[in-house]
Amino acid sequence: EIVLRQSPGTLSLSPGERATLSCRASQSLSSSYLAWYQQKPGQAPRLLIYGASSRATGIPDRFSGSGSGTDFTLTISRLEPEDFAVYYCQQFDNSPTWTFGQGTKVEIK
Amino acid sequence: EVQLVESGGGLLQPGGSLRLSCAASGFTFSSFAMSWVRQAPGKGLEWVSAISINGDNIHYANSVKGRFIISRDNSQNTLYLQMNSLRAEDTAVYYCAKTDSSGYYYMDVWGKGTTVTVSS
Repeated sequence: EIVLRQSPGTLSLSPGERATLSCRASQSLSSSYLAWYQQKPGQAPRLLIYGASSRATGIPDRFSGSGSGTDFTLTISRLEPEDFAVYYCQQFDNSPTWTFGQGTKVEIK
Repeated sequence: EVQLVESGGGLLQPGGSLRLSCAASGFTFSSFAMSWVRQAPGKGLEWVSAISINGDNIHYANSVKGRFIISRDNSQNTLYLQMNSLRAEDTAVYYCAKTDSSGYYYMDVWGKGTTVTVSS
């Protein structure tokens, strides 16, 4: 089973700053199978990125994804007030199993 | 509007059973795989189960295998999760999610969730 480890656990930044979130897999995985989600308190997750780098419908272009193999990154170029939330990476493997990382909280500094 | 609405959650004792439902609207339900994902209080997301378009491929997380049963009724645009032999660790918000099966396997539409509490 592939394990996803996200870092850091918490990121304290100010609006307008750049956020870089990491997701590391215990084994190499296909970029097609890596997605990122945003979750705000009391809300369901929202798909941001699929296929490691493709933005989902309606997602602003300040969100971008990159990476391959075991190392993937979600970047928020300039934080807006509504971007402070928890972010999860997710992978699919051919077991088949879907696995989520433990999450990174982006909080206002 | 594309929408998923879960129902059926509640408070029950360990060992009990519960059936969750997820009503879909705004998209062709019968053309998409579906999943259940749960989130324990204050914790992260955990995939629970997935079902293919016509229900012939079904998969479970090890934590629920043998206790939970996923199913769907494409004529009613509804997804189900039968939960048996419930444990305290099954306490969570349960989300249903529309799941891509074209090669990416992401979850692009989520319901608001229904809460299941297992406690004596």
